[in-house]
Amino acid sequence: AQSVTQLDSHVSVSEGTPVLLRCNYSSSYSPSLFWYVQHPNKGLQLLLKYTSAATLVKGINGFEAEFKKSETSFHLTKPSAHMSDAAEYFCVVSERGGANNLFFGTGTRLTVIP
Amino acid sequence: GAGVSQSPRYKVTKRGQDVALRCDPISGHVSLYWYRQALGQGPEFLTYFNYEAQQDKSGLPNDRFSAERPEGSISTLTIQRTEQRDSAMYRCASSWRPVNLNTGELFFGEGSRLTVL
Repeated sequence: AQSVTQLDSHVSVSEGTPVLLRCNYSSSYSPSLFWYVQHPNKGLQLLLKYTSAATLVKGINGFEAEFKKSETSFHLTKPSAHMSDAAEYFCVVSERGGANNLFFGTGTRLTVIP
Repeated sequence: GAGVSQSPRYKVTKRGQDVALRCDPISGHVSLYWYRQALGQGPEFLTYFNYEAQQDKSGLPNDRFSAERPEGSISTLTIQRTEQRDSAMYRCASSWRPVNLNTGELFFGEGSRLTVL
């Protein structure tokens, strides 16, 4: 069975400081992992994805995530937060491939303080 | 269209009424998905289509829920005899790839928020 746990429901950072959004997964197979972002009144947008290639994945807007199999983690990071990063972020796992097998975490709301 | 469009954006209805939620995917997108998101939770898969064929409806909670995509473009999710527990955000997504070739990149609409009184 597959599942994903987002350890923090809310994260607040000051503008210009690093962002860390934590995600741990559970999967019986080698999973694919994703981060989606939802800005207020917008649809969810794919930020980045890991599909068994390089373990350090770079996404849009300066975000990146590292797949660590030994820790079953896929944490999302950004060196310097921008006000426009304020949004809700979802970690997603898929162990069997196919877009109908995506399991979403409960989300982390990121607040950026000016 | 430029993006996935869902309507209505907000729907308030009384228990027992039927509701229909519409999704207009990005033009040319092959696959279309419906998700439901309860408050404080992540989206949960309901059903999906490749073109007009409904390939998997295992996520539909019960037989009050149905979906169609008769011409392989616009889709309608119908909930009959609504109950308060049906209150949620209903999200539609589409992709130019068929489901089995999709590595997880979906384009989501803004969602339809349903409130059942």
